[in-house]
This record gives sequence, structure tokens and C-alpha cells, in this order.
Amino acid sequence: GESVGLHLPTLSVQEGDNSIINCAYSNSASDYFIWYKQESGKGPQFIIDIRSNMDKRQGQRVTVLLNKTVKHLSLQIAATQPGDSAVYFCAEIMNSGYSTLTFGKGTMLLVSP
Amino acid sequence: AAGVIQSPRHLIKEKRETATLKCYPIPRHDTVYWYQQGPGQDPQFLISFYEKMQSDKGSIPDRFSAQQFSDYHSELNMSSLELGDSALYFCASSLGRQNSPLHFGNGTRLTVT
Repeated sequence: GESVGLHLPTLSVQEGDNSIINCAYSNSASDYFIWYKQESGKGPQFIIDIRSNMDKRQGQRVTVLLNKTVKHLSLQIAATQPGDSAVYFCAEIMNSGYSTLTFGKGTMLLVSP
Repeated sequence: AAGVIQSPRHLIKEKRETATLKCYPIPRHDTVYWYQQGPGQDPQFLISFYEKMQSDKGSIPDRFSAQQFSDYHSELNMSSLELGDSALYFCASSLGRQNSPLHFGNGTRLTVT
């Protein structure tokens, strides 16, 4: 894929604030979306998923919004905590009969106390 | 809960050497995936297996091969290593192929000198 190098988009927030991380996905045929959190030295960790027949899904402190018209996903984190600091990736899967997960570009979230 | 296990965690090889990475999926998961992640980049899909058969192929070089064994573990074999192969290699597993969340291991960091 295209090289981003070490310069990830970064969102800096204060502890207790709400965070919104945005993602533009690439394929209008995608119908399943997942947000992953990746901490340094670890693999991507599943946060929440949403299927294309929904436009909103809520989890514990997290909400995912899907706008298929403009191919946009967002992840909202309520009451952000220092432990939320990580790189966040959105990922999409096309309904092609098998799951090939394609990651979007990551966003680094930095939470300061 | 059991997670995806990868070994080794770190591997240092010289150019033109070979390497074998191993992945043990979550119990009862029948599908495994391999991803490569360069510094500051999103994970790139290499290859996947479902029920021991190759399911999908991404940007895997011809120098690499992989297989899934009868116990569902998978191995990624890398030959004629190049400096550019230095990266984090993640394995993920899922239950079924269609629209199931992928669960990732903590990766193998390969350094080619």
C-alpha cells in the first residue's frame, strides 16, 4: 500500500473529553466494518463492528457511525482515558463470499491527563 | 480467553536467509490470515486460509509461501529475505470466512540485516 511513513494523523485530547476519529473507506461494495485499536508492540485489538444495514452501533464508551452515502465511518469514544492512547484503524470487508479485511490509514490518539 | 498465539515474537535474519513464522489460532477458529505491517503503516493483507485451503491472496511476494495444517495452525515461510521484508507480521483468526471479526495475535517482529 501507499507509504505513510511515521507521520500518522494525530488527535490529541484531554482526559475526560470525548474523542471522534474519522475514516473514509474506499469501496462502496463493503458491507461490514470494524474498528481496531493498536497499542505499541501489540496486534490490532477488536473494538466494535457495524454492518451496512445499520448507521449506528453503541458499545461500552464507544459508538460507531456509518454514513454509506459518503463512505464515512467515525468512532466516538466517551470520557477518553489515558489508556485509550493508541493507533486506531478502521477496516472494511467486501461481501465477496469471504472475509478479506482491508485496513484504512490509522489515526494516533494521544490522551493527556 | 485464549487468543491468537504467534511465534517467535522477534526474529533477526540476514539477507538471503529463510524464516518461518508460526500462528496458532483461537480454538475452534477455522480461518487464518497473515498481514504485514511496516513502520507507521496500516497492516497489509498477505494471504488467508479456510479449512486448510488457501482462501484469498493479497500482496504476498512469490518468495513467501504459507499453509494451514490439520490442527488449523499456520506457518508463513519466507525465503531469500530482503531488507524490505523487515516488518511486523500479524496472524489473525476468525470463525468462518464471512463477515466475522478477525482477532489478531501480537505479531512477529522480523528484522533483516
